Amino acid sequence: DADVTQTPRNRITKTGKRIMLECSQTKGHDRMYWYRQDPGLGLQLIYYSFDVKDINKGEISDGYSVSRQAQAKFSLSLESAIPNQTALYFCATSHENQETQYFGPGTRLLVL
Amino acid sequence: SQQGEEDPQALSIQEGENATMNCSYKTSINNLQWYRQNSGRGLVHLILIRSNEREKHSGRLRVTLDTSKKSSSLLITASRAADTASYFCATDRSSNTGKLIFGQGTTLQVKP
Repeated sequence: DADVTQTPRNRITKTGKRIMLECSQTKGHDRMYWYRQDPGLGLQLIYYSFDVKDINKGEISDGYSVSRQAQAKFSLSLESAIPNQTALYFCATSHENQETQYFGPGTRLLVL
Repeated sequence: SQQGEEDPQALSIQEGENATMNCSYKTSINNLQWYRQNSGRGLVHLILIRSNEREKHSGRLRVTLDTSKKSSSLLITASRAADTASYFCATDRSSNTGKLIFGQGTTLQVKP
């Protein structure tokens, strides 16, 4: 579903490098989320934002930061990447009056 | 930490059979949702059941919720090869916080 897009789709980086993952949405939703998924596991919430001025930590925010540049854009940064941040990263959106979340296609990140 | 435990972790059935997967959770919830993930892709919302509901249907999907046992089940009837995917339950603990807690998922294989 092209309503939620993530770039890049795949990324290989080295330990210590700073990288940014980007998420854009055309659904007009106020709420945006970043999750990570490790192999064989469910998703864990990293950060979430209910509007441009409201950003909150999730379950596993250490080592990550986010920026909500606009209603439609929510970026995730790894300040100094480490190998155990190798994972599949998903962005999601939701409307403030609905509980359903809509997911992007994911970014596969490998930290060497 | 993850809220839910899903059972079984993996399930393999023949086309036409029914598939049942279970989810247990630890704390009180406002609603429970089921999502589907095709290999390496984003999650797609299937169905939501609220804490005051006991059963819900959507096409070939039937979801039950037992809040006294803190458990839910997803039944897929007359399965098809295209149902092959991972299925995740996710709980929302308070009214529309947007903070979903995912289980570890059940991987379903439907053999043609």
